[in-house]
Amino acid sequence: QVQLQESGPGLVKPSETLSLNCTVSGGSMITYYWSWIRQSPGKGLEWIGFIYSSGSADYSPSLKSRVTMSLDTSKNQFSLKVTSVSPADTAVYYCARRVGAGFDYWGQGILVTVSS
Amino acid sequence: QSPLAQPRSLSGSPGQSVTISCTGTSRDIGSFNYVSWYQQYPGKPPQFILFDVNKRPSGVPDRFSGSKSGNTASLTISGLQADDEADYYCCSYAGNYNYVFGSGTTVTVL
Repeated sequence: QVQLQESGPGLVKPSETLSLNCTVSGGSMITYYWSWIRQSPGKGLEWIGFIYSSGSADYSPSLKSRVTMSLDTSKNQFSLKVTSVSPADTAVYYCARRVGAGFDYWGQGILVTVSS
Repeated sequence: QSPLAQPRSLSGSPGQSVTISCTGTSRDIGSFNYVSWYQQYPGKPPQFILFDVNKRPSGVPDRFSGSKSGNTASLTISGLQADDEADYYCCSYAGNYNYVFGSGTTVTVL
């Protein structure tokens, strides 16, 4: 059974960089797409982007200028960085595996609050 | 990119059916048969319940079914049960390697 677990700081100051990791267990990262999706408090889901096991990535047009994803298959981890954060970036951040055009396995989510 | 439009809330009695609509545009739902649906309980991550408009992942009951017409996709829950009370989100491929989620629908079992 594939499991994903997000980790990282739960509090980030405005204008700083949000950095999160996702550790994958129970399966290989090879030949899959790995995604980040966020959910602002009381709101809907927002797709942030994904990275393929080769390292190529695609990002949401609305976040593209501030987002970078990377992965390390030897550690079974992939990462998200969002620069110049503001309170609008406060959300639960989920990592998920994309299979075909759906997201089949999700982490439990990590709440990141942007506040001074 | 605007979220796909879903009704904010729907309700039904046990045993009844509810249908959740998900309306996009010709650039997303209208162009691709890549609509997926997710069920989310409070405080929990979303769970994958349909993909490619009407396919069910292993373990998802056949009470959940999907369809699409034009720019609108739909999820139907038949034989409504108490544990179907949750939030439901649609998601569509939107071209150029992008995805867009719906605004979410809260289903209440009366």
